[in-house]
Amino acid sequence: QIILKESGPTLVTPTQTLTLTCTVSGLSLSSSGMSVAWIRQPPGKALEWLALINGEGNTRYSPSLKSGLTITKDASKNQVVLTMTNMDPVDTATYYCTHRRQQVFAYWGQGMLVTVSS
Amino acid sequence: DIVLTQSPDSLAVSLGERATINCKSSQSILYSSNNNNYLAWYQQKPGQPPKLLIYWASTRESGVPDRFSGSGSGTDFTLTISTLQAEDVAVYYCQQYYNYPLTFGGGTKVEIK
Repeated sequence: QIILKESGPTLVTPTQTLTLTCTVSGLSLSSSGMSVAWIRQPPGKALEWLALINGEGNTRYSPSLKSGLTITKDASKNQVVLTMTNMDPVDTATYYCTHRRQQVFAYWGQGMLVTVSS
Repeated sequence: DIVLTQSPDSLAVSLGERATINCKSSQSILYSSNNNNYLAWYQQKPGQPPKLLIYWASTRESGVPDRFSGSGSGTDFTLTISTLQAEDVAVYYCQQYYNYPLTFGGGTKVEIK
């Protein structure tokens, strides 16, 4: 059974850097074909894909946010980390980590609400 | 970027009746070499993460009731709930994985009439 769990701060101040951790169980982050993505959802709004990393360590980013995003993995800890610089109130959202299977987001964490406010 | 436009934004359907949600892509998401449409549908209930329902436009995820079906090809796709149940109240999203950036539609809210 694949389980993903997000962790990190629930409140950040504007201009701060956000660091979110996704801890994965039931899946090796080194395995071929594995990929974990981050997706966010502002309150009452639609889903937005942010970034993705695969088993080989290759990464993909949303072009609209790319300059401020970094996704990395620590296979020994089975964790995927997302950092987002220069946070703004518009970045207030529920952040989800997901595992892709056959290119679709088949497994999701419960998500965590991150509020950006001074 | 591929833009997915869902319609309607919301719909209210009586229990046992059919619900139809449309998703239109700004470009074809049919990959000619394998004849697959790179489109998925997700269901999101309040306070929960999205749940995968359909992929490859028409393949139902394991465990998803057969009242959910997906159809369409190229740029026009449909999610149909054949007989709406109370537990189907949710927001439904389409998503393309044809190319990056991966994009979602704006969502369709399904309610009981």
